Amino acid sequence: AQSVTQPDIHITVSEGASLELRCNYSYGATPYLFWYVQSPGQGLQLLLKYFSGDTLVQGIKGFEAEFKRSQSSFNLRKPSVHWSDAAEYFCAVGASGGSQGNLIFGKGTKLSVKP
Amino acid sequence: GAVVSQHPSRVICKSGTSVKIECRSLDFQATTMFWYRQFPKQSLMLMATSNEGSKATYEQGVEKDKFLINHASLTLSTLTVTSAHPEDSSFYICSARWDKAGRKDTQYFGPGTRLTVL
Repeated sequence: AQSVTQPDIHITVSEGASLELRCNYSYGATPYLFWYVQSPGQGLQLLLKYFSGDTLVQGIKGFEAEFKRSQSSFNLRKPSVHWSDAAEYFCAVGASGGSQGNLIFGKGTKLSVKP
Repeated sequence: GAVVSQHPSRVICKSGTSVKIECRSLDFQATTMFWYRQFPKQSLMLMATSNEGSKATYEQGVEKDKFLINHASLTLSTLTVTSAHPEDSSFYICSARWDKAGRKDTQYFGPGTRLTVL
C-alpha cells in the first residue's frame, strides 16, 4: 500500500540552526514528491516538488530537498532556520498516472523555533 | 500564479442547517479539484475528487449525500455540507490542479474553511 511516513511529530530548533525534516515513502511507481507548509489556521503552501531530473531540488524560502530512491526518502533541509519558519510541514507523494493522481500525505511535522 | 481561494474562511451554523463552501482557481483552469478534511493536529484526509462536468468520486467512508460536490466550471467547485451536525465541525481545504495532456501536475491549495456546527 502507498504510504508516507514522517517519523518526527515535533521538532524544535534554535533560530539560525540548520534543519532537516525526514520523509520516507512507499510507492510502487515513480513518485512525484512534494513538501507543503501550513501555518496555523491556513491552507497549504507548496515549498518544492520533485518530478524527475536533478535529485536535489530547490524551493521557496531557502528550502531544499533531496530525493534518494535507494532510501525511499525525500528529506527537507534548510541551512539556517528563521523564526517565521515555525509551522507544520507535510510531505506528500503522488503520481502522474492512475485515474486520479491523488496525493498521499504524511502526518506532518510541527516545527518550533526558539530564539 | 496558481492561486486558489475559498469562501467563506469561517462559518458557524446551527445543527441541521446546510453550509456551502466555494473553491475557486483564480488564475488557472482547474480540470480537477479535491476536497480535504483536516482534524486538529492531524494530516489532510481526502474526501473526494471532482472533475469539471462530471460526478465527484468519493473516498471510502465519505457520505456523498452528506457532502455534495459540484464542479460546474473549470474555476469553481462547491462543497455543501447538508444537515450539518457538530461532528462535521472541521477544517475543510480544497485544492486545484490543471491536468495538461493527461499529465497530473501540482495541486495548489486554498486557505481553508473553518466550519463550526453548534
